[in-house]
Amino acid sequence: QLQLQESGPGLVKPSETLSLTCTVSGGSISSSSYYWGWIRQPPGKGLEWIGSIYYSGSTYYNPSLKSRVTISVDTSKNQFSLKLSSVTAADTAVYYCTGIAVAGTHDYWGQGTLVTVSS
Amino acid sequence: EIVLTQSPATLSLSPGERATLSCRASQSVSSYLAWYQQKPGQAPRLLIYDASNRATGIPARFSGSGSGTDFTLTISSLEPEDFAVYYCQQRSNWPPLTFGQGTRLEIK
Repeated sequence: QLQLQESGPGLVKPSETLSLTCTVSGGSISSSSYYWGWIRQPPGKGLEWIGSIYYSGSTYYNPSLKSRVTISVDTSKNQFSLKLSSVTAADTAVYYCTGIAVAGTHDYWGQGTLVTVSS
Repeated sequence: EIVLTQSPATLSLSPGERATLSCRASQSVSSYLAWYQQKPGQAPRLLIYDASNRATGIPARFSGSGSGTDFTLTISSLEPEDFAVYYCQQRSNWPPLTFGQGTRLEIK
């Protein structure tokens, strides 16, 4: 049973870079069975997929965010991370890290972390 | 990008009643459609994958149907814990993975 935990600053200034890390426990991030990724949810709104990374290093990004997003993996720490540059208030959201089974049969989510963009 | 449209936006029902939630895709997603339940302050939980397969641990009162562009999530007899927001998600043609805007199931 995998467990995912997000960490990172809860407050980011406009125009700066949002950085979050997800620590995976109970399994290896090098597994070929999962896509690791990030989904966000602005307060009171719906879910938006940000992007995913596969163990091979292949990345997949939401075209609406692609120019500002980087997702990477650190296998030595069993972690993956999100960087979102040039943030604005519209990027204020709860950010969830996820592990989605390649077969689509199950997935794992972190508890979510609220990131507020404000000066 | 495939757009998913859920209806209704809000559904008001009583415990014991049957709930029918709809999700329509802007183009065919075959059977690559999932349903999630989200309660306040919690991460979404996968209910149904590949349109009609219940995820592990999901009660039998939840069922999914459909293929192509039209999908339905049915809750046969509502329990108090079923009142939540439900999202559909397509996994057919990605990136991007896309979600519907959600249906709020509230107690009447």
